[in-house]
Amino acid sequence: DQQVKQNSPSLSVQEGRISILNCDYTNSMFDYFLWYKKYPAEGPTFLISISSIKDKNEDGRFTVFLNKSAKHLSLHIVPSQPGDSAVYFCAAPSRGGSYIPTFGRGTSLIVHP
Amino acid sequence: DAGITQSPRYKITETGRQVTLMCHQTWSHSYMFWYRQDLGHGLRLIYYSAAADITDKGEVPDGYVVSRSKTENFPLTLESATRSQTSVYFCASTLNVGRDEQFFGPGTRLTVL
Repeated sequence: DQQVKQNSPSLSVQEGRISILNCDYTNSMFDYFLWYKKYPAEGPTFLISISSIKDKNEDGRFTVFLNKSAKHLSLHIVPSQPGDSAVYFCAAPSRGGSYIPTFGRGTSLIVHP
Repeated sequence: DAGITQSPRYKITETGRQVTLMCHQTWSHSYMFWYRQDLGHGLRLIYYSAAADITDKGEVPDGYVVSRSKTENFPLTLESATRSQTSVYFCASTLNVGRDEQFFGPGTRLTVL
């Protein structure tokens, strides 16, 4: 049973437009969320995070929004660039367990020039 | 070299053979992890370790063995490789679980014929 769900396996966006990547979670014990970015033939790297005490966290072109009542978070990339083409993973450590992060299945973003 | 390294980067083996994937980190991080990445499944946790000589199962541990005699090393052994273990394997480390980001190695692409 997936506790962190990324229901869109892929997303295609034009350069300069906004990319919105979505993540849903089922475990109400999650209180911190992380996004990782992965290029082909490389390991994932940390991108941005958000605590449940906030509903938004911004870092340059990347903004993560958290809607606790809907158990939903989204990553916005504005403006999107071809170099943003990668797989994005949402992750959440569970407070009720070992705090080991659970990852979603990832969304492959392609930004077309 | 500082960071987290994996070896080999590519490995082809045959069904039934024993294979060991190596992971080394130079930060003295307490926690280390092994994940496998498969299409449609994202990153799935195989095993993790909270410290030297302390290991625990993740989501998909069957067919794998780990050990951690030194803080910096966390080898993953496939005792009798099967075709279903063909995958890309990522090692990761972090100082503390929960809110600290994980640092991933570059991955090992394993093919079992």
